[in-house]
Amino acid sequence: EDQVTQSPEALRLQEGESSSLNCSYTVSGLRGLFWYRQDPGKGPEFLFTLYSAGEEKEKERLKATLTKKESFLHITAPKPEDSATYLCAVFSGGYQKVTFGTGTKLQVIP
Amino acid sequence: NAGVTQTPKFRILKIGQSMTLQCTQDMNHNYMYWYRQDPGMGLKLIYYSVGAGITDKGEVPNGYNVSRSTTEDFPLRLELAAPSQTSVYFCASGDRGPLYGYTFGSGTRLTVV
Repeated sequence: EDQVTQSPEALRLQEGESSSLNCSYTVSGLRGLFWYRQDPGKGPEFLFTLYSAGEEKEKERLKATLTKKESFLHITAPKPEDSATYLCAVFSGGYQKVTFGTGTKLQVIP
Repeated sequence: NAGVTQTPKFRILKIGQSMTLQCTQDMNHNYMYWYRQDPGMGLKLIYYSVGAGITDKGEVPNGYNVSRSTTEDFPLRLELAAPSQTSVYFCASGDRGPLYGYTFGSGTRLTVV
């Protein structure tokens, strides 16, 4: 069974203080690893799909990387508007099941 | 472009009552999904559809039913509501399946008392 573990559960950063969120996964044949952003009271918003180890993707202050066992979401010089819960998820094929982690709640303080 | 629209946003049900959660998308997506999100748990797939007239069970289908008569609509039916169905429900849609990302609605917060 696919498993996703995210750490830390919560992270508090000063504005401009760079850091990384971790996503460890166990799957039987990774087809894709996803990062989503979720604001309070809203549905998740798709950020990236990573397909294979060594791949990197960037969007504004966010950079996602992938190894064979984990993914990191690097946040460079974060701003208060980056505050959200970041969800990691994996897809190993078969039927349409995507396995989601429980998320990292990021708070960026001005 | 409205994206994925869910109604209602909030609902309180009594044990044993039934209700339908509505989901409509205007992006002509073939793939549609229903997830539930519980505190401290990852999103869990309830049902999904890969096109009009085609639905299938996800991870946690018990107590729920779906139908997909049009590309746009994917309602979720709760029969005989139970406290274990207290959750936040999200509908999502995708153009070509999971690898290309989903568009989620803003959710329905359901409490069963």
